[in-house]
Amino acid sequence: AQSVTQPDIHITVSEGASLELRCNYSYGATPYLFWYVQSPGQGLQLLLKYFSGDTLVQGIKGFEAEFKRSQSSFNLRKPSVHWSDAAEYFCAVGAGDDKIIFGKGTRLHILP
Amino acid sequence: DAGITQSPRHKVTETGTPVTLRCHQTENHRYMYWYRQDPGHGLRLIHYSYGVKDTDKGEVSDGYSVSRSKTEDFLLTLESATSSQTSVYFCAISEPGQGPTDTQYFGPGTRLTVL
Repeated sequence: AQSVTQPDIHITVSEGASLELRCNYSYGATPYLFWYVQSPGQGLQLLLKYFSGDTLVQGIKGFEAEFKRSQSSFNLRKPSVHWSDAAEYFCAVGAGDDKIIFGKGTRLHILP
Repeated sequence: DAGITQSPRHKVTETGTPVTLRCHQTENHRYMYWYRQDPGHGLRLIHYSYGVKDTDKGEVSDGYSVSRSKTEDFLLTLESATSSQTSVYFCAISEPGQGPTDTQYFGPGTRLTVL
């Protein structure tokens, strides 16, 4: 069965530092992968997605993610975080039947 | 932003009462979804719809029913609310086209408290 694991429940980084959020998936075929962000009290907003092609995907707000099939990973990165990036981040995998399986999320805290 | 609204945005109700949450979209997307979000569980699919009058169960469908009589509206009903259904409920929409799973766009959520 498809699944998504986000091993870090909370991550704290200093403003201006680089960021990497980890995501591992389990899926038998070529995965469709997503990263969403949720600010407090808000719905989920799509950051980026991977369907095929270039394994390095650029998204909004300066985020990027790299698909690594050999590691079943789709880690999210940003070279320099801003205080406004504090939020919860969800990795998700397309389940092949118009459904998406979400990870449990990583909450990002930013130190001034 | 995708045109998705949810109503009500907040609701407090008592155990045993019926509750209906509404999701309304202006994008004419074929697929609509209801999720619940709980701490430590992420988002879990309750029900989804792949067209008018076409619905199917998700991962946590017990205690919930849905209806879709128009493309733009997807209703989630708790026939007899229980405290375990206290949660934040999100509606999402998608329009298949790029493959077996396409991007979902989310509404702002409804915070439901069952006392």
